[in-house]
Amino acid sequence: AQSVTQLDSQVPVFEEAPVELRCNYSSSVSVYLFWYVQYPNQGLQLLLKYLSGSTLVKGINGFEAEFNKSQTSFHLRKPSVHISDTAEYFCAVTETGANNLFFGTGTRLTVIP
Amino acid sequence: DTAVSQTPKYLVTQMGNDKSIKCEQNLGHDTMYWYKQDSKKFLKIMFSYNNKELIINETVPNRFSPKSPDKAHLNLHINSLELGDSAVYFCASSQDLNSNYGYTFGSGTRLTVV
Repeated sequence: AQSVTQLDSQVPVFEEAPVELRCNYSSSVSVYLFWYVQYPNQGLQLLLKYLSGSTLVKGINGFEAEFNKSQTSFHLRKPSVHISDTAEYFCAVTETGANNLFFGTGTRLTVIP
Repeated sequence: DTAVSQTPKYLVTQMGNDKSIKCEQNLGHDTMYWYKQDSKKFLKIMFSYNNKELIINETVPNRFSPKSPDKAHLNLHINSLELGDSAVYFCASSQDLNSNYGYTFGSGTRLTVV
């Protein structure tokens, strides 16, 4: 069975500092991986996704993530955060050919001025 | 605007009432979903429909009944509301049954049962 673990429930970081939000998954088959962002009182917006090919994936708003199969990880990074990046970030996984997206419990990123 | 739209955005109701949440997508997607987000922000799938047919029905009480009149609409009806039903309900859609294109989410319906 597939599952997703987001190790940090909250990550505070100063403006213009780099950030990494961690995500680990478990699955016995190949997977697709996603990061979504949820701004306050809004729905989820797709940041980026990994389907195949290059393990470094670039998304919107300057975010990127790296798929590491041996460590079953898909950590999200940004070299310099802005106040507007304050939001909840969700990692999600689906097994190839499946029709269900499993979400992690989310990481609350708070950017401090 | 192309989007997944849900109504209402907020819903406050008393225990025991019956209520519905509507969802529509104009993206031409074949598959639609209902997710529940609890107070700890955990997202869990409830249902998925593909071309009006039920594909996934997770362990949710029978009081929850989805209805898909056509592939662009997936409504959620809840009978005999309970306090524990309070949550944010998200509708989503995807191009087809394969999730590799990702999902497009609506902005959510915050249900409060008092």
